[in-house]
Amino acid sequence: ETGVTQSPTHLIKTRGQQVTLRCSSQSGHNTVSWYQQALGQGPQFIFQYYREEENGRGNFPPRFSGLQFPNYSSELNVNALELDDSALYLCASSLEGTNTEAFFGQGTRLTVV
Amino acid sequence: AQSVAQPEDQVNVAEGNPLTVKCTYSVSGNPYLFWYVQYPNRGLQFLLKYITGDNLVKGSYGFEAEFNKSQTSFHLKKPSALVSDSALYFCAVRDFGAGSYQLTFGKGTKLSVIP
Repeated sequence: ETGVTQSPTHLIKTRGQQVTLRCSSQSGHNTVSWYQQALGQGPQFIFQYYREEENGRGNFPPRFSGLQFPNYSSELNVNALELDDSALYLCASSLEGTNTEAFFGQGTRLTVV
Repeated sequence: AQSVAQPEDQVNVAEGNPLTVKCTYSVSGNPYLFWYVQYPNRGLQFLLKYITGDNLVKGSYGFEAEFNKSQTSFHLKKPSALVSDSALYFCAVRDFGAGSYQLTFGKGTKLSVIP
């Protein structure tokens, strides 16, 4: 198991609501990335945070937003939830500026009804 | 833009036989290539990576992968499959020149090892 932890593990929300997912990065890692994995698909890059700033973003609308805290932990916020937002959300931590691999958490399963 | 293709949705192999899971990629610069494995209802576990150097990369659990620049491929291999290898396998690429640690994943290949 990696040192990346995510909470909660499962979540059910109603369409139109807002949700916050949390991630604690592996010790020593200063970069956190978030991915969305729809059923039967590969993970899709949402965005990345380094030094509390977003420094990369995939093709996701602005209602997907995030934060990184001084201890490198991170939050993913999704506003105005849609049914298609139902997916496994994965957090990955890595060390910026190196060639090391990213380590993933176990994910948060979000179901929007 | 970078992309990854895994042409097989599913690969079936008998226990003890060699296995290959295929991956081809496209990047504008030099590629960083990765293989991850996912077990049901779990996150992704790192298997191996190619950054530079020897084209044959050895990783966890007896897996290895061969980088072929001319064919833009990075196939995952194992000499003798185990039932416990049954899982979903993802190939991923990171553009060396990209500013962020963005991984682009393939759609995944489901490996089933038959006892």
